[in-house]
Amino acid sequence: AQSVAQPEDQVNVAEGNPLTVKCTYSVSGNPYLFWYVQYPNRGLQFLLKYITGDNLVKGSYGFEAEFNKSQTSFHLKKPSALVSDSALYFCAVRSRSGNTPLVFGKGTRLSVIA
Amino acid sequence: GAVVSQHPSRVICKSGTSVKIECRSLDFQATTMFWYRQFPKQSLMLMATSNEGSKATYEQGVEKDKFLINHASLTLSTLTVTSAHPEDSSFYICSARASGSGRADTGELFFGEGSRLTVL
Repeated sequence: AQSVAQPEDQVNVAEGNPLTVKCTYSVSGNPYLFWYVQYPNRGLQFLLKYITGDNLVKGSYGFEAEFNKSQTSFHLKKPSALVSDSALYFCAVRSRSGNTPLVFGKGTRLSVIA
Repeated sequence: GAVVSQHPSRVICKSGTSVKIECRSLDFQATTMFWYRQFPKQSLMLMATSNEGSKATYEQGVEKDKFLINHASLTLSTLTVTSAHPEDSSFYICSARASGSGRADTGELFFGEGSRLTVL
């Protein structure tokens, strides 16, 4: 079975500081890994994905994430946070086999303080 | 533009009525679509997998007679909440995986903007 853990319900960071939102996963075989962001009453916006290749993935709005197979982690990072980054962030995993859905973590609320 | 369109974005209905939500893939074919439900301040929970031309596969605990799913074409899946009650109020989001012509399958799922259902 696939599962995703986002250990932090809330992350607070000062504007201009680096941010990290943690994610670990469990899936058989090599996974597809994703990060999405959700603003209030909106759907999901895709940030980035790991499919194959370079473990460091760069995505939208200056975000990046590093796939670490040995630690089964895919932490989301940004060198300098903006107030507008404040939102709900979801990590998701999907098995490579068949028509499998995305399994989401519980989400981490990021609050960037000016 | 959006690759998956979901309609309506917001609907308010009376208890006991039925509500239909549409999910369309705009620039690709999708033999499989997924329906998720999100409660306030919670994660997305998979409700069912919608398969074109066949019956949907429901997750454990999801009532198939309450949440009717129809995937009649390669670009359209519908979710009908039958005899809605206040506890059905939620944010419903569909997603689709590219298959066939129109867009190569990269493993990514594309999401609609979601539909907020409020049952009075």
